Formats: sequence, structure tokens, C-alpha cells
Amino acid sequence: NAGVTQTPKFRVLKTGQSMTLLCAQDMNHEYMYWYRQDPGMGLRLIHYSVGEGTTAKGEVPDGYNVSRLKKQNFLLGLESAAPSQTSVYFCASTHVRDSAYEQYFGPGTRLTVT
Amino acid sequence: AQSVTQPDIHITVSEGASLELRCNYSYGATPYLFWYVQSPGQGLQLLLKYFSGDTLVQGIKGFEAEFKRSQSSFNLRKPSVHWSDAAEYFCAVGEDRDDKIIFGKGTRLHILP
Repeated sequence: NAGVTQTPKFRVLKTGQSMTLLCAQDMNHEYMYWYRQDPGMGLRLIHYSVGEGTTAKGEVPDGYNVSRLKKQNFLLGLESAAPSQTSVYFCASTHVRDSAYEQYFGPGTRLTVT
Repeated sequence: AQSVTQPDIHITVSEGASLELRCNYSYGATPYLFWYVQSPGQGLQLLLKYFSGDTLVQGIKGFEAEFKRSQSSFNLRKPSVHWSDAAEYFCAVGEDRDDKIIFGKGTRLHILP
């Protein structure tokens, strides 16, 4: 099992550009999450999904959109990137019937917006 | 609203010394509690978790944590740290019937040789 993978690992965008981050998991987990990590701020939840075709907002959803068309994939989109979105983005997944929401994390995507 | 507080941003201990990282939470019901570790440039790895039963929980890498409901705390401990324990540690809290987990801001552990 590859676990949780994220594509790309690094990206540099100019202000106003768009991009999509891909998260994939091969553990058949129901729940998937997108977080951003900034120095001194811990992990903050952007959006999450409790199943295929469903998404919900987290703590900091503004400027981001998500889609979960397939159970194994969770996409995070930035329609018009801003320097404030420079961050490290982590995806996580959870099998809810096992271990009460223990999350498995991907390796992260480092995004810089200039 | 749910919250997690890690009062110490940085902690420095000598190799071989004991360690305690503090975590306090504010949650409405019986919480699920987690400690994760993040090495530089890496993702997060689960160290241990608590959701019921014995309030002293054993984890990987020789770590343990104790749930104290009366103090709303879930402190992480290790009797003797190793240089490889230098990392950032995150406490996290979830709740049954809630789909989300809230993370603290982290404590960065430095080890002196």
C-alpha cells in the first residue's frame, strides 16, 4: 500500500494563477481532509469530505474549492492564488469504523505564491 | 467551541533526560485524543491515541500519555529522550459524532547532546 500520496510535492505560482492539488489514498478510507500548515499556527482544516460526492468547509475554506468525485481521490483547487496561500498543504484520510478518526497523512505539498 | 492548547512553543532537554509535553483541551463530550510527531520536512505520524479505557496510553518510540479528565489534559511523556526525538509534536482532539479533528499549534522539541 502506498498510503496517502500527494501531487505535486512542490509548486511555485504567480499571484492570480490557478492550480489543483491531488490527494490519493489506497486504504479505502471514507473520510478525507485538507489542511494547511503555517509556522506557529499548527494545522488548520481547509475542507473535508465524509464520502464520495460530499464536501464540507473547515476552519479556513476561503479561496479554496474541493471535489471528491472518486472515493480514493480528494482534489484541492486554488482558483486565483494569493501570497497568503503560501503554505505547506497536507492531505489526510480516516477509516471511521476503525480507531476513532485516527488520521493518516500524506507527505505534504509546499506551495509558494509570488 | 472546541480548542486545543499546547502552552509550550519550544522545549529543550538534554539527551537522556525525561520529557513532558503539555496539552489541554476544551471539548463538550468525551474526547478522542491524539499525539502526532512531525520530523522536519515530513508528514505527521501518529504516536498514540486515547478514546476509552485505561487513561494511561502507551505509544510508539517509548512515548506514553495520560488522560486526566479533571484537568482536561493529555500530556505526553518519555522517560529518556534520544537525539532522534527532536521534532515537532502536535496534540489533537476529536469527538464522537463530529467529523473533524482539531490540532494544537505544536511544540518543537530540541535535544541537547
